[in-house]
Amino acid sequence: LAKTTQPISMDSYEGQEVNITCSHNNIATNDYITWYQQFPSQGPRFIIQGYKTKVTNEVASLFIPADRKSSTLSLPRVSLSDTAVYYCLVGENNAGNMLTFGGGTRLMVKP
Amino acid sequence: DAGVTQSPTHLIKTRGQQVTLRCSPISGHKSVSWYQQVLGQGPQFIFQYYEKEERGRGNFPDRFSARQFPNYSSELNVNALLLGDSALYLCASSFYTSGGTDTQYFGPGTRLTVL
Repeated sequence: LAKTTQPISMDSYEGQEVNITCSHNNIATNDYITWYQQFPSQGPRFIIQGYKTKVTNEVASLFIPADRKSSTLSLPRVSLSDTAVYYCLVGENNAGNMLTFGGGTRLMVKP
Repeated sequence: DAGVTQSPTHLIKTRGQQVTLRCSPISGHKSVSWYQQVLGQGPQFIFQYYEKEERGRGNFPDRFSARQFPNYSSELNVNALLLGDSALYLCASSFYTSGGTDTQYFGPGTRLTVL
C-alpha cells in the first residue's frame, strides 16, 4: 500500500479556499486517491475520489498531476462547519480493499 | 436513504468483560468492514466480511472476532476486554463490486469505554 504524507494541521478563515496536499510517491498503477472528512466522534465521510487529472463534485475538487505522486484536495469558500480532520488514502479501490488511514490533516476554520 | 447504522452508540464495560457491537449496512451493500479508532489517531482496519465469509483481517489479537449474517448485517465481538480496547469502533459498508470502484461508507461508530 502506498504511504501518504499530509500536513498535520492547517488554519484558514471563513470564505477562503483551502488546499490540502497529499504526497504519495509510491502510488501504484491500480491505486485510486480517496479523501474522507471526519468530525469528532463521528465516522469518516467520503468526500471525493479520483485516479488522474481533476475531479469535481458539489463538495470539493481533487487535482492530480500527471505523475500522480501527489494530490490536492480543494475546498472552496470554507465555513466554520468545515473544521474537521481530512484523510488522504491511496489504494486499489476494488472489492476487498482495506482502507489504510494515516494521521490526517486537522483543518481549523476561524471566523 | 438510510446510511450505515451501528448500535449501541455508547458502551461502558470493565476489564475482562465481553462486548458485542452491531452494524447494519446501507441497503444493497454486501460487504461490511470494521475499524478501530483510538483517540487522536486514524481508523485501523480490523475485519472485512462479504457473503458471510471473512475476506480480510488486520493486525488484531484473536480476542477480536466478527461474523456476517444472511441479511449482510454484522457483529463485532471482543473478549477479555483491556483498557486499551477503549476506542471508537467504526463499521463501513460497500457493494463489493469487482472490476470497478468500491467506495466504503462509514457509520457513526460505537464509543466503547473500558474501565
